[in-house]
This record gives sequence, C-alpha cells and structure tokens, in this order.
Amino acid sequence: EIVLTQSPGTLSLSPGARATLSCRTSQSISNSDLAWYQQKPGQAPRLLIYGASNRAAGIPDRFSGSGSGTDFTLTISRLEPEDFAVYYCQQYGSSPHTFGQGTKLEIK
Amino acid sequence: QVQLVESGGGVVQPGGSLRLSCTASGFTFSKYAMHWVRQAPGKGLEWVASIVYDGSNKYYAESVKGRFTISRDNSENTLYLQMNTLRTEDTALYYCAEEGGPGYSDGYGNPFDYWGQGTLVTVSS
Repeated sequence: EIVLTQSPGTLSLSPGARATLSCRTSQSISNSDLAWYQQKPGQAPRLLIYGASNRAAGIPDRFSGSGSGTDFTLTISRLEPEDFAVYYCQQYGSSPHTFGQGTKLEIK
Repeated sequence: QVQLVESGGGVVQPGGSLRLSCTASGFTFSKYAMHWVRQAPGKGLEWVASIVYDGSNKYYAESVKGRFTISRDNSENTLYLQMNTLRTEDTALYYCAEEGGPGYSDGYGNPFDYWGQGTLVTVSS
C-alpha cells in the first residue's frame, strides 16, 4: 500500500497570501497518478488537480499542482476567502487507492 | 449535469447489515468505474471499494474485504454497497464517486471526478 503523508497538518494564512501544501508518497507514483481534492464543511470533496498538475474543469488558475515521483505540491497563488478548507491528496494508480490525511487551511 | 445520490444509510447494531445505493444521472453510467469512499466523523477520506464499468472486476480495502460487496445495475444506473457484519469502526459518511477519464477503465488510472453528498451509516448498540 502506498502511504501518502501531507504537511503541514494545519496551515494558517491570510486572504491574499500564497499557500503551499505538500504530499509525500511512500513509493514513486506511476504516471503521476496523483490528485488533489478540496473539501469544505458539510460538503463532498471536489476534484481540483489530477495527473499531478492538470486543473479539473472549472477550477480557477490560482490553483496549481506540481511534482513527480514521491514529492507533490499544491499551490494556491492568492488565497480567496472561499479557499479555506481541507485539502486531500490521493494516488489512484495502484491498489489500493489511498488518500493523505489532509491539510486544513484556516484563516489567520 | 452529473448527479450522484446516495441512500440507504441509517443506524444499525454491531453485526448487522445495510445496503447502500447510489443513483446516477447526467452521464453514461455503464461506461465508468465507480467507487465507494467513506469518512468517519471528523476524520479523513478512506477508499472502500471499486467496481469496473461492466461489473466484471471488483476491488476492496482490506478493512472491509469479506464483509462488504460492491455491485452495480447498469440498466438502472445504480451502484450498491452491501455491508454485512458491521462494526462500530464502520461508522462513517459513505460517498459514491465516479471515476473520470475516457471510460472503460479497470478501476485505476483516473481520479474521482464527481461525488455524491453521502449517506450516513452509524453502527452502535
């Protein structure tokens, strides 16, 4: 099983700031089969990034993903009030599908 | 637009059974692999089970293998999760999710494009 470790656990920033979230995997991810999801309280997760760096449909360009192998990053260039949420990474290339434990992005 | 609507959750005693359903609309259901993902209260996401587009292959997390069964009825655009021998640690919000990509996948290689709003399962005596 590929274990995903996200850091930090909680990130406190102000609107307008830049956010950098990390996801490290215990094994190299094939084909960059890594996704990022956003989850707000009381809502289902929403796909943001797939293939490590491709934005899903309708996702603003302030969200970007990068990385390969075992180190991946989600960057939010200028935080908007609606971006404060929990973010999860997921590898979907091998069995079993696994998620990171999440990073909570909170308003400072 | 794509809609996934889960139902069937509720309160059940340890050792009991429940069957969850997920009704899909807005896309060609028979073309895509489907997944169940759960989230215990205040916790993160845990993948539970997957089924490929035609039901020929199914995959399970170790934590549910032998107790849960995933199935689908493509004529009814519905995904199911039969949950037997439930444990208190199965208490969670259960989401169904559609696997994206071009379709006809083997259950891997694509992210989860769309999610339902979830149905709550509580296992308690």
